[in-house]
Amino acid sequence: AQTVTQSQPEMSVQEAETVTLSCTYDTSESDYYLFWYKQPPSRQMILVIRQEAYKQQNATENRFSVNFQKAAKSFSLKISDSQLGDAAMYFCAYRSPPNSGNTPLVFGKGTRLSVIA
Amino acid sequence: NAGVTQTPKFQVLKTGQSMTLQCAQDMNHNSMYWYRQDPGMGLRLIYYSASEGTTDKGEVPNGYNVSRLNKREFSLRLESAAPSQTSVYFCASSEVRFKAFFGQGTRLTVV
Repeated sequence: AQTVTQSQPEMSVQEAETVTLSCTYDTSESDYYLFWYKQPPSRQMILVIRQEAYKQQNATENRFSVNFQKAAKSFSLKISDSQLGDAAMYFCAYRSPPNSGNTPLVFGKGTRLSVIA
Repeated sequence: NAGVTQTPKFQVLKTGQSMTLQCAQDMNHNSMYWYRQDPGMGLRLIYYSASEGTTDKGEVPNGYNVSRLNKREFSLRLESAAPSQTSVYFCASSEVRFKAFFGQGTRLTVV
């Protein structure tokens, strides 16, 4: 079974600075999907960014980018120019490829990010 | 443009009581899921339904049952609630290759 590990329970960053959240995963599959979700105090789960394993190029979404290292099974999230609204729980998640059926997401335990004004 | 709708948003139960959490999606997704979220544990899968008519156990199915009523609706039932089932419950839906859409969550407290 696939597992996802987030080794940083809590992180903090100064406003306007850059922070990197770590995620590693374990799988024997060669094709899969990786996600970062943000959960603010409202409890809503918001997709931040998505990476397909067969794509070598790292995904980016405005101030959010990933460092996808397939051989190392690492998928870190970089937040640039941090804003107060970025304060939230961040979850890394893994999903098997389509030929495995419509499989569920497997989540890490999360990293709570605080942004200091 | 409702997405995934969960009811209720909050619930307090006494030990031994039963209840059903309702979930409906309007995106014509085949797959639906129930997760629970506990502090320090992330989201853990309780049950999922890959398509209408099928259900499968996830990581933590004990004490729960599910029903995929039709393509839109996927309910989660607690037959005899226990304090260990105090948690936040999320319903989600998705299609292959795409992201999962989540409901707003249900905060359940069992006393």
